[in-house]
Amino acid sequence: AQSVTQPDIHITVSEGASLELRCNYSYGATPYLFWYVQSPGQGLQLLLKYFSGDTLVQGIKGFEAEFKRSQSSFNLRKPSVHWSDAAEYFCAVGADSGNTGKLIFGQGTTLQVKP
Amino acid sequence: DGGITQSPKYLFRKEGQNVTLSCEQNLNHDAMYWYRQDPGQGLRLIYYSQIVNDFQKGDIAEGYSVSREKKESFPLTVTSAQKNPTAFYLCASWAQMNTEAFFGQGTRLTVV
Repeated sequence: AQSVTQPDIHITVSEGASLELRCNYSYGATPYLFWYVQSPGQGLQLLLKYFSGDTLVQGIKGFEAEFKRSQSSFNLRKPSVHWSDAAEYFCAVGADSGNTGKLIFGQGTTLQVKP
Repeated sequence: DGGITQSPKYLFRKEGQNVTLSCEQNLNHDAMYWYRQDPGQGLRLIYYSQIVNDFQKGDIAEGYSVSREKKESFPLTVTSAQKNPTAFYLCASWAQMNTEAFFGQGTRLTVV
């Protein structure tokens, strides 16, 4: 069965420092992969997605992610974190082989930004 | 503006009561989804519907029911059979052309 693991429950970085959030997935075929961000008490906003093509994808707010099939990973990165990036981040994989919208989410990583 | 509207934002329920959470979308999306969010567990799929008048159980459907009589609406009923209903509930719709899910702002349900 498909699954998503985000190994880091909580990460704290200083403002201006670089960030990498880890995501590992289990899926037999080429996966649909997503990163979402959630502010407290709010819905989820899509940061970026991957389903084919260039393995380095650019998203909104200066985020990028790299799909590495050999490592079953889709890590999220940002070169310089801003205080407004403090939020919870979810990695997700499409549950079906097709484009159906059923998503399996990781447990989430809470990002805290120190001034 | 197009989007997904969930109401109410906060909901309190007494034990033994059924309660219905509203989800409306004006994005013209065929597929809609209900997720439950608990701290440290991410989002788990409750029910989904890929077309009007049809829906399927997700991973944690027990104690919940849904209907899909209109394309725009996908209400979720939390029944008294749901043993631990206190959670944050998120509704989403799926844009197949964009390969993207759009989420509502959520409803926080508390059993008192």
